[in-house]
Amino acid sequence: EAGVAQSPRYKIIEKRQSVAFWCNPISGHATLYWYQQILGQGPKLLIQFQNNGVVDDSQLPKDRFSAERLKGVDSTLKIQPAKLEDSAVYLCASSHRNAGNTEAFFGQGTRLTVV
Amino acid sequence: LAKTTQPISMDSYEGQEVNITCSHNNIATNDYITWYQQFPSQGPRFIIQGYKTKVTNEVASLFIPADRKSSTLSLPRVSLSDTAVYYCLVGDPMDTGRRALTFGSGTRLQVQP
Repeated sequence: EAGVAQSPRYKIIEKRQSVAFWCNPISGHATLYWYQQILGQGPKLLIQFQNNGVVDDSQLPKDRFSAERLKGVDSTLKIQPAKLEDSAVYLCASSHRNAGNTEAFFGQGTRLTVV
Repeated sequence: LAKTTQPISMDSYEGQEVNITCSHNNIATNDYITWYQQFPSQGPRFIIQGYKTKVTNEVASLFIPADRKSSTLSLPRVSLSDTAVYYCLVGDPMDTGRRALTFGSGTRLQVQP
């Protein structure tokens, strides 16, 4: 079974620039998550999709972050404009949440550095 | 959402059994307890999940007392490769309309030779 694919693996941008991250979840997984993980901290949920609908985006800074999951499969997370404090690893995960467990599978993440 | 509390860090030696306890006093009736492991530069990886009593798999055991207000992850005979951050999460796997996976700060386990 293929895992969660994320790209790019690394990205360096200047502040005020825009950036986009892409995620391809495991086939058939209805739930997709985007997390932000700052060095030394636990992952922080930014947005959770159930199919192509948003379940929770309460911690997404909506003035600069946006995410979409068209057709309930792939997802894109965008930051525009980026700030220095956005430097972090952005993790995508997916799960069969309707299978009676919350086992989520994570991608390797995209390490973003804003300079 | 049930809040979880776990030690910031733990140290152990190779071959020892390690027990990491997580407190979740306001766990809801339908919530399950799930543990994840994270190595540097990797995403978290599911270890084990349980609802009550004891669950065991090839990697770990999970002990949950009757009141479910805490849980203990037990790693038998740890090796250097078990050095990682361990996260305890609480959530309802069947409630697709609610936030599922909320990570805390985790417990940083350091295994020494």
